[in-house]
Amino acid sequence: AQTVTQSQPEMSVQEAETVTLSCTYDTSESDYYLFWYKQPPSRQMILVIRQEAYKQQNATENRFSVNFQKAAKSFSLKISDSQLGDAAMYFCAYRTFYNTDKLIFGTGTRLQVFP
Amino acid sequence: DGGITQSPKYLFRKEGQNVTLSCEQNLNHDAMYWYRQDPGQGLRLIYYSQIVNDFQKGDIAEGYSVSREKKESFPLTVTSAQKNPTAFYLCASSIADRGDNEQFFGPGTRLTVL
Repeated sequence: AQTVTQSQPEMSVQEAETVTLSCTYDTSESDYYLFWYKQPPSRQMILVIRQEAYKQQNATENRFSVNFQKAAKSFSLKISDSQLGDAAMYFCAYRTFYNTDKLIFGTGTRLQVFP
Repeated sequence: DGGITQSPKYLFRKEGQNVTLSCEQNLNHDAMYWYRQDPGQGLRLIYYSQIVNDFQKGDIAEGYSVSREKKESFPLTVTSAQKNPTAFYLCASSIADRGDNEQFFGPGTRLTVL
């Protein structure tokens, strides 16, 4: 069974600085998808970025980028120029290529942003 | 505006009572999901449905039931058989059949058993 591990329960960053959130996963599959979701204090989950495992190029969305290391099964999220609005819980999630029924989530990392 | 609505936002239940959480979407999505969120455990899948009148158990279906009579609606019933129902419940939907499709989430329902 696939598992997702986020080893950093809490992280903090100063406004305008860069922070990296870690995520590792375990799978025997070669094709899959990876996601980072943000859950702000409102608790509504918002997709931040997604990565297809068959793509070698790391995904980027504005200030958010990933470092996808397929062999190491690592999928970290880098937030550049951090803003106060980035403060939230961040969840890494895995989804198989063929079985589209569910996302497998990590336990989350709480990010605090200080002015 | 298109989106997912969940009601109520907060729900209190006495032990031994069944309670139903509402989830409605106007995104014309085929697939809908129910997740449970507990502190320190991330989200876990309770039930999902990829088409009307069909649904499948997720990882923690015991003590829960669902129905999918309409494409737009996927209500979740928390029965008295659920041993520890106090949690935050999130409903989601997506276009079915593609793993890279984004799941859109509702604002959630906080259920507390008194």
